[in-house]
Amino acid sequence: NAGVTQTPKFQVLKTGQSMTLQCAQDMNHEYMSWYRQDPGMGLRLIHYSVGAGITDQGEVPNGYNVSRSTTEDFPLRLLSAAPSQTSVYFCASSYSEVWTEAFFGQGTRLTVV
Amino acid sequence: AQTVTQSQPEMSVQEAETVTLSCTYDTSESDYYLFWYKQPPSRQMILVIRQEAYKQQNATENRFSVNFQKAAKSFSLKISDSQLGDAAMYFCAYRSPNYGGSQGNLIFGKGTKLSVKP
Repeated sequence: NAGVTQTPKFQVLKTGQSMTLQCAQDMNHEYMSWYRQDPGMGLRLIHYSVGAGITDQGEVPNGYNVSRSTTEDFPLRLLSAAPSQTSVYFCASSYSEVWTEAFFGQGTRLTVV
Repeated sequence: AQTVTQSQPEMSVQEAETVTLSCTYDTSESDYYLFWYKQPPSRQMILVIRQEAYKQQNATENRFSVNFQKAAKSFSLKISDSQLGDAAMYFCAYRSPNYGGSQGNLIFGKGTKLSVKP
């Protein structure tokens, strides 16, 4: 059971470039979300999805797009990378029952130069 | 909106001793869920323990236990018999019972970095 798989693990981008962070889960979870982790800031919610075809913004959505065409996949797109988007990105998934734990991918360390 | 506060950016403990990490939260909801996650240097987020607000009994998982004070909105984590492998970043997180909106996601504190001295 692979759980939540994020790719790539590391990425360096130049300012203005675009890229997609991939996230896939094999647990049939309805809930999926993207967080960014910055030093001293904890994890902040970027976008989330409660099911295929349904997405919404979190706390820090600017500069990011998401889509959810299948239950398994929830990619995060950076449209035009900026140095302020240098961060560690985590994808998480869980069942719809809110008492259940969220499972996290191993994170992507992104550097924008 | 709910907030989670971890007032100790860094803590240190001697191996085999006990340490308590603090977490307070602010909410107007009467029912909710609280979690402690551990993030070792590998970056992996690992669930340590969870507590349902409607349960008065404090959750326990082996060497990890919580002191849940609902009225004070406090949710501290106690690690007994600390081991070198406990060294990590620890995050306290809150989750609303309201599924379907952004409230269903986890709200994290800023974290406490725990060092364990041999």
